[in-house]
Amino acid sequence: QKEVEQDPGPLSVPEGAIVSLNCTYSNSAFQYFMWYRQYSRKGPELLMYTYSSGNKEDGRFTAQVDKSSKYISLFIRDSQPSDSATYLCAMSRVGGQNFVFGPGTRLSVLP
Amino acid sequence: SAVISQKPSRDICQRGTSLTIQCQVDSQVTMMFWYRQQPGQSLTLIATANQGSEATYESGFVIDKFPISRPNLTFSTLTVSNMSPEDSSIYLCSVALRETQYFGPGTRLLVL
Repeated sequence: QKEVEQDPGPLSVPEGAIVSLNCTYSNSAFQYFMWYRQYSRKGPELLMYTYSSGNKEDGRFTAQVDKSSKYISLFIRDSQPSDSATYLCAMSRVGGQNFVFGPGTRLSVLP
Repeated sequence: SAVISQKPSRDICQRGTSLTIQCQVDSQVTMMFWYRQQPGQSLTLIATANQGSEATYESGFVIDKFPISRPNLTFSTLTVSNMSPEDSSIYLCSVALRETQYFGPGTRLLVL
């Protein structure tokens, strides 16, 4: 079993849709959970960062962590064509050790 | 957060040559990382570079092929040696700040 699994997509949605991106992981030692957005030919950009279980909201983006299920999600409300990118989940242990990245989900938001 | 710059942003190189990629951070950081990303693929960690110590390489990557320098807390270089077309990729540096990572813009390398 891979340490982090993520549906690679591609995922295509119409503009204005609610998007749900998900990752599952196997190591219960992970405490910090991140989502990165990567536009084509650019470096990954940190989008959301959460610690332990719960929800965190930032504008149209909501990150959700369920440690009991080892499942994290990123929700994008009112999706825009500018949200078209690859989204990578990532996680690390206490002290920022042992970063692990998911393979990424490619999202296309169609106008 | 951290602001990271990389040089060069892109290059086209001939087989058998070497290229050194520079990574500059706007603040002092202990841990820096070098990744490779093939087109359409996820990130592959090459090595972790801590200031004042030898870089730690991941399985499949060796120092002779990817020598790394880390002379201070704001700078690192990665050299891709004796390049072949299989080395064509995006090379990214990143830094660990608290419990997360910040990435540079990447260096796009094409080896002919």
